[in-house]
Amino acid sequence: AQKVTQAQTEISVVEKEDVTLDCVYETRDTTYYLFWYKQPPSGELVFLIRRNSFDEQNEISGRYSWNFQKSTSSFNFTITASQVVDSAVYFCALSERSNFGNEKLTFGTGTRLTIIP
Amino acid sequence: EPEVTQTPSHQVTQMGQEVILRCVPISNHLYFYWYRQILGQKVEFLVSFYNNEISEKSEIFDDQFSVERPDGSNFTLKIRSTKLEDSAMYFCASRDFSPADTQYFGPGTRLTVL
Repeated sequence: AQKVTQAQTEISVVEKEDVTLDCVYETRDTTYYLFWYKQPPSGELVFLIRRNSFDEQNEISGRYSWNFQKSTSSFNFTITASQVVDSAVYFCALSERSNFGNEKLTFGTGTRLTIIP
Repeated sequence: EPEVTQTPSHQVTQMGQEVILRCVPISNHLYFYWYRQILGQKVEFLVSFYNNEISEKSEIFDDQFSVERPDGSNFTLKIRSTKLEDSAMYFCASRDFSPADTQYFGPGTRLTVL
């Protein structure tokens, strides 16, 4: 079975500091997809990024960057110059190939990030 | 921008009652999902639905649960006889045809069973 581990349960940083959220995954699939979702206090799940297993290029989007390393089965997420609006729970997720290609998601337990003004 | 919508945002019910949670997926999407998140815990897969039938369900999705796509736009989750442990946030998600496509989530329905 596939598994996603987010070892950091809670992180607090002062505004403008950089912060990295760790994600380690386990899968037997050779083709898979990794995701990060943000869950702000309002409760919805906001899609941030998708990465496929063949693309190990790091990605940057504004203050957000992602480091995918297949060798260590990690897909870490860094926020640069954090802001109070970044306070949320962040979930890493792995798509799991299942019957009929439905690609259900396996989520990690989430990291609660608090940005202190 | 197209989005998944869910109603109601919050549902309170008595134990043993039936509830129906409603979702309107993104219009051109073909795969539909329900997930559950018990307060403070991770998001868990319940069921996936494609071509008007269940494709896969988790062990959580027992005989008390059912899903339906009654028309071309709605996708519903029914819990026949709610239990206290069904209290959770229920998320609907949808995606387009390709397995590479992202699942987009609705805002969730918070179900409280008293």
